Amino acid sequence: GENVEQHPSTLSVQEGDSAVIKCTYSDSASNYFPWYKQELGKGPQLIIDIRSNVGEKKDQRIAVTLNKTAKHFSLHITETQPEDSAVYFCAASYMNRDDKIIFGKGTRLHILP
Amino acid sequence: GAGVSQSPRYKVAKRGQDVALRCDPISGHVSLFWYQQALGQGPEFLTYFQNEAQLDKSGLPSDRFFAERPEGSVSTLKIQRTQQEDSAVYLCASSRPGVQPQHFGDGTRLSIL
Repeated sequence: GENVEQHPSTLSVQEGDSAVIKCTYSDSASNYFPWYKQELGKGPQLIIDIRSNVGEKKDQRIAVTLNKTAKHFSLHITETQPEDSAVYFCAASYMNRDDKIIFGKGTRLHILP
Repeated sequence: GAGVSQSPRYKVAKRGQDVALRCDPISGHVSLFWYQQALGQGPEFLTYFQNEAQLDKSGLPSDRFFAERPEGSVSTLKIQRTQQEDSAVYLCASSRPGVQPQHFGDGTRLSIL
């Protein structure tokens, strides 16, 4: 079955700097890659997703890239702000069908003042 | 409209007791998923419903775990004879059929003493 690896497990960046989180997946049939942000005591909230027919997607300060050949995908957050502090999960699943989401283990992002 | 609603938010039970966790999906979402999130880990799939039909229960860890959705709306996850290793956050997610993304509730934090 699918396996998603995520690193780093913890990341500290100065406010205003950029943060990058990297993930790999094992199942070449996966074609939908969401990123979720989880704050303390809350459920995962979708912040951006990318489908395998697209190599890059951007939404304001957040961008994701996907390399299907290498089975790598990454999250980039620019101009980080204190409210970006949270745990971020990458995940893999399938478009156009109901199926489980396979999550990475998460990255705890600390934004330093 | 309203998001996925889960209750109770916190549940403490003694080892050996039975517990029931409730999920109210987003209105119109016929697909419903349950996930288990251990401390410091990513969510892991438990089971999936489309309407009232339980189509995948491959993630349920033992026969002590049982889920139902009798009218195709509200779902209940029941754990019988709870054990300490059942302590986790139980997350519910819903979506339109065959359409990503899944939308998560804030979960029920279950502690078994």
